[in-house]
Amino acid sequence: DADVTQTPRNRITKTGKRIMLECSQTKGHDRMYWYRQDPGLGLRLIYYSFDVKDINKGEISDGYSVSRQAQAKFSLSLESAIPNQTALYFCATSETPGQGQETQYFGPGTRLLVL
Amino acid sequence: KNQVEQSPQSLIILEGKNCTLQCNYTVSPFSNLRWYKQDTGRGPVSLTIMTFSENTKSNGRYTATLDADTKQSSLHITASQLSDSASYICVVSAMGSARQLTFGSGTQLTVLP
Repeated sequence: DADVTQTPRNRITKTGKRIMLECSQTKGHDRMYWYRQDPGLGLRLIYYSFDVKDINKGEISDGYSVSRQAQAKFSLSLESAIPNQTALYFCATSETPGQGQETQYFGPGTRLLVL
Repeated sequence: KNQVEQSPQSLIILEGKNCTLQCNYTVSPFSNLRWYKQDTGRGPVSLTIMTFSENTKSNGRYTATLDADTKQSSLHITASQLSDSASYICVVSAMGSARQLTFGSGTQLTVLP
C-alpha cells in the first residue's frame, strides 16, 4: 500500500463549488504539506502543518483552507473554486528534521479541473 | 527572491546514452539541495540530497554534483534506460521553516529506444 494517498485522483468541478481534497499517510510523519503544480512552473506551497492543530500559510494560500484532523490526515478545501485553480495538487509528508535534511514524500497527486 | 532555474527544459536522448541536467539557484541562506524524479502521473521521488559541504553524491546511475560557490548543481545520468523518462526537479532549501523550499520547474527527459 502507498505511504501517502490522495483522494480523489481526478476531479472536475464548476466555478463557485466547494470541494475538498484529502490526504492520508501511514509514514507516521508529523509534517504535512499541500502543493500545487502548474505546467512550466515549480511546485508551490499552499499550506503546511507541523503537527495536529498547527496550520501555516504557504506561498499561495489565498482561496484555499486546510484542516489537520489527525496526525495522518490533512485535507485541502477550495471554498469557491475558480478556473485558475485548475492544477495538479500534491500532498507531501516529512519527518521532523534532525539536521535539517528532511526529505518530503509525495502522494500521487489530484488532477483538478475547474470549469 | 529565491529562485531555482533548470536547463534544459526538455531533453531527448537514445537509450544507453549519458546526459547531464543543470540547476542554478539563488537561494540564501543555503541549507541543502535535492534532486527529485517525477514520473508522469506520479508524485516526485527523492533521488539525492546534498548539503553545503558535499560536492558529489551518487545513487546508482544518478550522480549529483554541487558547487556551492557558483550556486550550481548538475545531475548526471549514466547509461540511460527507458524508465529514466521523467521530469527531474531540483529543489533548494534555505535555512528555516518549510516555506523556504524553492522548486525548479524541472527538466523533462525522454529516453527513446
